[in-house]
This record gives sequence, C-alpha cells and structure tokens, in this order.
Amino acid sequence: EDQVTQSPEALRLQEGESSSLNCSYTVSGLRGLFWYRQDPGKGPEFLFTLYSAGEEKEKERLKATLTKKESFLHITAPKPEDSATYLCAVQAGSNTGKLIFGQGTTLQVKP
Amino acid sequence: GAVVSQHPSRVICKSGTSVKIECRSLDFQATTMFWYRQFPKQSLMLMATSNEGSKATYEQGVEKDKFLINHASLTLSTLTVTSAHPEDSSFYICSAARTSGGRGDTQYFGPGTRLTVL
Repeated sequence: EDQVTQSPEALRLQEGESSSLNCSYTVSGLRGLFWYRQDPGKGPEFLFTLYSAGEEKEKERLKATLTKKESFLHITAPKPEDSATYLCAVQAGSNTGKLIFGQGTTLQVKP
Repeated sequence: GAVVSQHPSRVICKSGTSVKIECRSLDFQATTMFWYRQFPKQSLMLMATSNEGSKATYEQGVEKDKFLINHASLTLSTLTVTSAHPEDSSFYICSAARTSGGRGDTQYFGPGTRLTVL
C-alpha cells in the first residue's frame, strides 16, 4: 500500500536555528514527490517537485532533497514568517494523478 | 506562474439548500482537477477527480449524488453540495493539475472555501 509518513508532527525553532523535516514514503513507482506549505485557513502553496533520487531543489531558505525512501526539507536560518504546516505528497505510478499526502509537520519559528 | 482561484472564499447557508463552489485555473489549462475536503488539524482528504468532458471519479465513501462535480472546460470545475447539512460544514479545496511531459503532474491549489451549514 502506498504510504507517506512525515516527522516530526510539530517542530519549534528559534529564529536562525536550522533544521530538517522528514518525509518517508513507500510507493509503487514514484512519479513525483511534492512539498507544499499551508498557512491556517488557506490552500496549500506549491514549493517543490522532485522526480528522482539524488535530485535537489532550493528556494530561498528551503532546500528539498530526495532519496529512494525519503525526502528532506531543510530550512536554513528560519524566520518567523516560515511558520506554517509543511505537507509532503507523492504521486504513484498508477498515473491517476492522485496525490497521497502525509499528515504534515507544523513548524513554529519564534523570534 | 500557476494560479488557481476559488469562489466563494466562504459561504454560510441554511440546512437543506445547495451551494456551488467554482474552481478556475487562471493561467494554464487543466485537463484534470481535484476536489479535497479538510477538517481542522488534519491533512487533505481527496473527494473526487474531475476530468474535462467526462464524469468525475469519486473516492470511496463520497456520495456522488450529494457532491456534484462538473468540469465543463479546461479552466473551470464546479462542486455543488446538494441539500447541505451541518455535517457538510468544512473547508473545501480544489486543485488543478499542470502536466509535466510524462512525469508527475504538479497540482496547484486554490485558496479554499469555508462552508458553514446552519
């Protein structure tokens, strides 16, 4: 069964304290792994798509990496405005286009 | 960019009435759109997959006669909650899939619609 697990569920950081969020997955034929950011009361905002192991993508203070079993979202020197829930999702090889979401990691960055 | 809009952003209705929510991809064409429901502090739950020009595919446990989906064009999908009841109160979010040449299609999400049924 295709499955996505994110850890930790919640993470509190001081401003400037770098850390990583984990997304472990089991899927039959990965077509893509996606990271989103969701603020309370809003729809998810697209961050990254990763397609194959070894791929890395960066955007400002965020960097996403992918292996055959997991993905990491590294946050370097976070700021309070990085506080949000980060969602990881995978698309399986069945080509229905559906996303399988993890439960998310809620990040709080304190000034 | 890849912008998806939803209208209305919030709606309050009386029990027994029907509510229509629109989802538009503003700067790209989307053959496939998706409708999700999200409860507080939970992740997104897929309700149905909407394909332009064909019937929607509903997830197990989702009543197709209650949640009517129409995908009339490559930029517009609508979700109608028929005979709404208080238990239908939730945050409804749509997404539009942008193709990526044979690899996984990226879904771009709308801002969501908060439905409250009194």
